[in-house]
Parts: sequence; C-alpha cells; structure tokens
Amino acid sequence: GAVVSQHPSRVICKSGTSVKIECRSLDFQATTMFWYRQFPKQSLMLMATSNEGSKATYEQGVEKDKFLINHASLTLSTLTVTSAHPEDSSFYICSARAGTVYEQYFGPGTRLTVT
Amino acid sequence: AQKITQTQPGMFVQEKEAVTLDCTYDTSDPSYGLFWYKQPSSGEMIFLIYQGSYDQQNATEGRYSLNFQKARKSANLVISASQLGDSAMYFCAMRASGYSSASKIIFGSGTRLSIRP
Repeated sequence: GAVVSQHPSRVICKSGTSVKIECRSLDFQATTMFWYRQFPKQSLMLMATSNEGSKATYEQGVEKDKFLINHASLTLSTLTVTSAHPEDSSFYICSARAGTVYEQYFGPGTRLTVT
Repeated sequence: AQKITQTQPGMFVQEKEAVTLDCTYDTSDPSYGLFWYKQPSSGEMIFLIYQGSYDQQNATEGRYSLNFQKARKSANLVISASQLGDSAMYFCAMRASGYSSASKIIFGSGTRLSIRP
C-alpha cells in the first residue's frame, strides 16, 4: 500500500524558535496533502490543505503566518512552525491523497514539544 | 456545514464479543464518503473501512463492517469477535465537499475502545 513518512517523529524545541516538519509520499505522487493537529485525547483537527505548486488553503482560525506550509513537489510537503510557543506543543499528522478522493494515506505523526 | 458526531467517549467490551461504535453525520452534499480509522497508542492512523454515499451495500473488511443507514445519517462500525489488539481510539470521518479536489476529511471526536481479556 501507499506509504507516507514524516520527519522527525519527535522534536523538542525552545520557545521562540522555528521547527520544520517534513511529509513525504514514498511510493506515489500526491497532488494534495493535508496537515492535521491533534492535542492529547482529542480528535484530529484539519489545519490546512496544500496543493503542489500553489499556496496552501488554511482552515478558519489557523494562522498562516505561524504555520508555513510549502508543497514544493509531488512527494514532499513541509510544515514550519514559526516562533513556537508551548501552546503549539501537539501531535502533527500529515496525509496525502494518492489519486481518487477515496485514497488518503496518513503519516505516522510528529510529536512537537516546545519548552 | 459538515459535522461528524461520536457520542461514546469510551467503551469496554469483553474479548470475543462484537462491538458497535456509533457515528452520525450531517452534510448537505448528496455525494460524500464515510471512513473509520483506528489510532493505537503509537499515534498512527490506520484506515479500516470506507462507505460511499451511493454504495448500495454496506461495506465490509474482514472483521469490520459498516452499518450504513442513510436516512438516519448514521454510519456505525461493527467489529466482530473483538481481540485484545483492537483496544485503541476509533475515529469516524467524512469526506466533505463531494468529489471535488477541494474535498477533505473531517473527523469525529473519537471513541476509546478497551477490550477486556
């Protein structure tokens, strides 16, 4: 089946610094990738949808200047959390659409801790 | 607006028993899809089963079946012969905005299933 990877799996950063999370589709091309955030014991909340070669579409309430998304190629999307604060600590999960809208595969997630 | 509702925050079931996880949804789109995902403690999202709004038959995948009642807007997941490894968080999800490229998956609040030996 289709595989999506995320790197890093865990990251700890200091408050005020920026951190980049990569999402890669390993064996398929993904024209659309999605970024979700999940706080402990809560559901996945969609942050943004990114299409290769164009600007990401952010969900209401998500700060586009804080969460920078770049979908530079058909196999790579990156999420950069800028000027991170402790409240940004969360589990970030990406997913990639393989072809039809039925086929959406999730990465293993990245646990971000901001100290 | 699209919405997914899971009213069971947690469930305990005896091993080998069947279990039904409830999910109701709301959408004005005539075309939509419903998913169930399993999330173990490791955090990965594992796809279990999919039901399209125009599918005539209920979806089945091994021990998983989806009880799709369109008029009631419900899409309950049934797990037969539960196993200890089924203990996890389960999310019902819906593909919103039809078949367009803008469609995206939104999630319910989840049900934590615990299987007792």
